[in-house]
Amino acid sequence: GAVVSQHPSRVICKSGTSVKIECRSLDFQATTMFWYRQFPKKSLMLMATSNEGSKATYEQGVEKDKFLINHASLTLSTLTVTSAHPEDSSFYICSARFEGIGNSPLHFGNGTRLTVT
Amino acid sequence: AQSVAQPEDQVNVAEGNPLTVKCTYSVSGNPYLFWYVQYPNRGLQFLLKYITGDNLVKGSYGFEAEFNKSQTSFHLKKPSALVSDSALYFCAVRDMSAGKSTFGDGTTLTVKP
Repeated sequence: GAVVSQHPSRVICKSGTSVKIECRSLDFQATTMFWYRQFPKKSLMLMATSNEGSKATYEQGVEKDKFLINHASLTLSTLTVTSAHPEDSSFYICSARFEGIGNSPLHFGNGTRLTVT
Repeated sequence: AQSVAQPEDQVNVAEGNPLTVKCTYSVSGNPYLFWYVQYPNRGLQFLLKYITGDNLVKGSYGFEAEFNKSQTSFHLKKPSALVSDSALYFCAVRDMSAGKSTFGDGTTLTVKP
């Protein structure tokens, strides 16, 4: 089955530093990946759609200069939280799906728990 | 615009009893409908999907869901709940022409022994 690997699973950083989260599709190619943020016991908030070889598409209200997305290859997308602050502490999840199959489900990484101190 | 509603924030059932987790949706065209499950500190796992055809869809771990077009619903069901089914469940809809999925707010299922 399709596997999406997300790394790291947990990270603690100091306020003002930057953190990079990687999302890899291990056994399939994904021209599109999605980045979500999840608050405790809450639904997923789509932050942006990552497009291989082009700029990411950000949802309204998401600061593109703060949450930098790079999709350099068909199997890797990265999310960098720049100048992190405690309010950025959250659970971040990426997902991808098979291209060309419109009814394919999303395959999710296991998420990254970010804590900014 | 597409939307999903999961009217119950929490569902509690006793082990061995049937369970239902409700979902209604709104989409302009024909929908693709999905159910996902999330365990603590993990990503979401795909359970089942409705694309077309038979309104009753069977998925992983004994779950099934019934598509009802007139009621625009896609409720998740299981005949006999297990304690290990306790988790957070998400319903999602995707318009056939759209790239993005829209998720409901999630329903926490608790199965008590």
